[in-house]
Amino acid sequence: EAEVAQSPRYKITEKSQAVAFWCDPISGHATLYWYRQILGQGPELLVQFQDESVVDDSQLPKDRFSAERLKGVDSTLKIQPAELGDSAMYLCASSVSGTRTVTQYFGPGTRLTVL
Amino acid sequence: KQEVTQIPAALNVPEGENLVLNCSFTDSAIYNLQWFRQDPGKGLTSLLLIQSSQREQTSGRLNASLDKSSGRSTLYIAASQPGDSATYLCAADGRTDSWGKLQFGAGTQVVVTP
Repeated sequence: EAEVAQSPRYKITEKSQAVAFWCDPISGHATLYWYRQILGQGPELLVQFQDESVVDDSQLPKDRFSAERLKGVDSTLKIQPAELGDSAMYLCASSVSGTRTVTQYFGPGTRLTVL
Repeated sequence: KQEVTQIPAALNVPEGENLVLNCSFTDSAIYNLQWFRQDPGKGLTSLLLIQSSQREQTSGRLNASLDKSSGRSTLYIAASQPGDSATYLCAADGRTDSWGKLQFGAGTQVVVTP
């Protein structure tokens, strides 16, 4: 069964350092999502791509976060510089399309700890 | 802004008991309501998706109902098993544009003891 791949699974960094997360969606899925999940809370959407275009990044802290999906396949989320409050699980998901009747498939996530 | 609340935050039941998980949302103008399962330290797995025109969805031992007028959805899990232990999250899609956007609750952590 096809799965969403994410790496690394765990990342420990010191504040003010740069970190990057990678996501490879299920083949053929045009829509890709990055979520942030703080411990004890539900995921919050950071950015949504349709192919290589951003369709929603309203909750992305653009002063320090950036996301790209250059060829409309895999994607990278970057944080520079990292802050203590960025410690969270970063989840990537993909779906066949961005319409509202499709299921989103989630990857295993990257657990970020900022010291 | 849509707010989604799940009560209780945690549930501990003996094996075989039926589970009832509640989800409430503040804006009834949702497009669909979804239930997910999350195992510790893992990603989310979609369980059921109920479109706004539907009242319920069933999959095996799982049944989810939706009452838009009262802003509530309930997930029933029949004859619980230890393997059902996980956190269950509901999410409401209430965007008015063409792109779906899920607003998640904080989840209910379920422990089923043998």
